[in-house]
Amino acid sequence: DAGVIQSPRHEVTEMGQEVTLRCKPISGHDYLFWYRQTMMRGLELLIYFNNNVPIDDSGMPEDRFSAKMPNASFSTLKIQPSEPRDSAVYFCASSFGRIEQYFGPGTRLTVT
Amino acid sequence: RKEVEQDPGPFNVPEGATVAFNCTYSNSASQSFFWYRQDCRKEPKLLMSVYSSGNEDGRFTAQLNRASQYISLLIRDSKLSDSATYLCVVNTRSNSGYALNFGKGTSLLVTP
Repeated sequence: DAGVIQSPRHEVTEMGQEVTLRCKPISGHDYLFWYRQTMMRGLELLIYFNNNVPIDDSGMPEDRFSAKMPNASFSTLKIQPSEPRDSAVYFCASSFGRIEQYFGPGTRLTVT
Repeated sequence: RKEVEQDPGPFNVPEGATVAFNCTYSNSASQSFFWYRQDCRKEPKLLMSVYSSGNEDGRFTAQLNRASQYISLLIRDSKLSDSATYLCVVNTRSNSGYALNFGKGTSLLVTP
């Protein structure tokens, strides 16, 4: 099994630029989650989807963040415009049912 | 008050020692509980679920105390490879379904 795939693994961008993070969940999983992890705040749930439908986006910090899941095998998290405080590791996770989540390797985002 | 609280550590223990971590949660309606392990610069991975009656997996024992709203993880005969951050995770029903709330983690360093 390939596991959850995320790209890019590292992203360095300048403040104000658009950033798009990508995720391919494990085939057959019906839930997809986006998390952000920082030293200060730990792991925070941003949004999750069930069968490609966004269920809870209350964790999305502000309108600069948006997420889509156009089909069962692909999701994006977009930040536009990016700010230095968005620097973090962004994880995508998927699960069959809500419980045992499998995380991708993460995207380490640095906004300068 | 944060939903899930853990002592960040670090816990420095010699190889072969027994070490225990506790975690407290604030929502008495929380329904299921887990320990995840996260290695440095890696993604979190499920270590074990925590059942009401307590459960054991090899050298690892997890306990749940619903009355006091805490969860514990005991590691016996610790190995160098146990060095990692251990995340306490609580699954709580919300208006939009269920939400996994992660603690910030407890750092363990096992030394020779």
